[in-house]
Amino acid sequence: GDSVTQMEGPVTLSEEAFLTINCTYTATGYPSLFWYVQYPGEGLQLLLKATKADDKGSNKGFEATYRKETTSFHLEKGSVQVSDSAVYFCALTDNQAGTALIFGKGTTLSVSS
Amino acid sequence: DSGVTQTPKHLITATGQRVTLRCSPRSGDLSVYWYQQSLDQGLQFLIQYYNGEERAKGNILERFSAQQFPDLHSELNLSSLELGDSALYFCASSVEGGETQYFGPGTRLTVL
Repeated sequence: GDSVTQMEGPVTLSEEAFLTINCTYTATGYPSLFWYVQYPGEGLQLLLKATKADDKGSNKGFEATYRKETTSFHLEKGSVQVSDSAVYFCALTDNQAGTALIFGKGTTLSVSS
Repeated sequence: DSGVTQTPKHLITATGQRVTLRCSPRSGDLSVYWYQQSLDQGLQFLIQYYNGEERAKGNILERFSAQQFPDLHSELNLSSLELGDSALYFCASSVEGGETQYFGPGTRLTVL
């Protein structure tokens, strides 16, 4: 079945460092791809999404590009802040509206000042 | 604030008991999803309802059941609770035809 693989954490960075969190997927069809973020003690918030190949999702300085040839959707940010410390989840749905999300295991990011 | 509400925020109970978790979707959303987040299993899809009807089932135990009411709120019922059922339970909602799901703040269930 469909699945998502994320890089193992935790990722520890200094403020203003460059961030990459790797995400690859396996899917039989053409999924939509998502990054969700979970701040300590809170629920999941949608960070960004892309619905077809070569689409770039972006939000709050974070970006990810849907790469069909490498089945990847890596999350990047040019300069992280302490407030970005959270758990980041890569997820997919198959490209039919209203289907369940399949999540990766999550990557914990810790940013220090 | 996603617009999805969940109650209660925390629930502590004993093994063998039964509990009900409640979710109100965003205004206008017809689909409700339930997910379980645990340390060992990660985030797993349990069940989906659309406009009162069950639409999809994931890794939901037979001891668990759910329903969606005419006002579109949903309840997840967990019975014969075991220690391993301790987890965060999230509800999410989406518009029919929309792919983006919006999550509630979750209910943390502790089974002692």
